[in-house]
Amino acid sequence: DAGITQSPRHKVTETGTPVTLRCHQTENHRYMYWYRQDPGHGLRLIHYSYGVKDTDKGEVSDGYSVSRSKTEDFLLTLESATSSQTSVYFCAISERGQGTTPLHFGNGTRLTVT
Amino acid sequence: EDKVVQSPLSLVVHEGDTVTLNCSYEVTNFRSLLWYKQEKKAPTFLFMLTSSGIEKKSGRLSSILDKKELFSILNITATQTGDSAIYLCALGGATNKLIFGTGTLLAVQP
Repeated sequence: DAGITQSPRHKVTETGTPVTLRCHQTENHRYMYWYRQDPGHGLRLIHYSYGVKDTDKGEVSDGYSVSRSKTEDFLLTLESATSSQTSVYFCAISERGQGTTPLHFGNGTRLTVT
Repeated sequence: EDKVVQSPLSLVVHEGDTVTLNCSYEVTNFRSLLWYKQEKKAPTFLFMLTSSGIEKKSGRLSSILDKKELFSILNITATQTGDSAIYLCALGGATNKLIFGTGTLLAVQP
């Protein structure tokens, strides 16, 4: 497996609370991504980073923010969690931009918002 | 808008059968098409097809890309129960962001 660690692996939280998910890589890859996976929707890109402090939005970015202060860490924050954000969240990394080199995924974080 | 459609949505076969999974796409500027296998956890990379590499093979798995008809297929021969998984197709276009299909759920029965 590519050196990608997501934490926590599982989390249950209440509506309205802030939540931060962490992705840590040991591959020194420039690009990092956050996806969510839901039945019937497949994998959808939330945000991605193309370098330290360089981030951009994906297709489902509303309600989420990200930060990348070090090459190895990419944080996803739900400022005020809602039930619609119940999902499985995957972090991914790649050497170059999407479509030019494969993405490698972490094992996911299962988030339940009650 | 770039788009990926996978078919069938699900498939049940018996060990030893050959299966063909389909991925059709619409794209403004094609860059690549990728296949992933997802069991219980993370999707794992299988193949990447580009304009310079339209056919890939690894063991019992193979994939081709038809840029004229805008589709790709993933073939699995002599299927085994360990092939049971969701198979995902992803498209790389001009936006520099991968677009994933919803996947094909393959179940291989003993």
